[in-house]
Amino acid sequence: EPEVTQTPSHQVTQMGQEVILRCVPISNHLYFYWYRQILGQKVEFLVSFYNNEISEKSEIFDDQFSVERPDGSNFTLKIRSTKLEDSAMYFCASSERVVREKLFFGSGTQLSVL
Amino acid sequence: SQQGEEDPQALSIQEGENATMNCSYKTSINNLQWYRQNSGRGLVHLILIRSNEREKHSGRLRVTLDTSKKSSSLLITASRAADTASYFCATAFDSPYAGGTSYGKLTFGQGTILTVHP
Repeated sequence: EPEVTQTPSHQVTQMGQEVILRCVPISNHLYFYWYRQILGQKVEFLVSFYNNEISEKSEIFDDQFSVERPDGSNFTLKIRSTKLEDSAMYFCASSERVVREKLFFGSGTQLSVL
Repeated sequence: SQQGEEDPQALSIQEGENATMNCSYKTSINNLQWYRQNSGRGLVHLILIRSNEREKHSGRLRVTLDTSKKSSSLLITASRAADTASYFCATAFDSPYAGGTSYGKLTFGQGTILTVHP
């Protein structure tokens, strides 16, 4: 079964450093998302991306965050200057065609900011 | 704001028993989805029920939706030890953004931790 893959599975960084989290969505999917889950808290929506632009973003997704689809297969989340509170599990997801359908999630990248 | 809230927060049962988890939300929805998460892993979609549906089945899963009460329940019948995981409801709603469509933003609840003892 096709799956969303994320790399790395764990990322440790120093506060203030830039990190790039990478995702390869399912190949025929058109909608891409990032969510995050701080330990012990809810899964939170960050951003959705369609047709090479951001469709929707949450209040969390401030100027420190950016997303990019640099080629036909990768989807990245960049955090420009990490903060301690950015420590979380970051999930990439994709969906096939229309809005409001089920999402396929990757296994996540555990980001630890020291 | 729209939220999915599950109860109970934790549920411990014996193999073979049924497990019922509930979810409540606050605003009108387009659909409600249930996801499962094994410890430290990603979310796996289980079932989606639309706002005009009242009940849906998938294998050992049964989901109900009561839009008048803004609540849903997930029933897992004949549970197995392998069902041990966290279960989340997630709601999707129509937004006026981008011409009246919502691009897959899901609002997740806190989750129910299910433990099934062999």
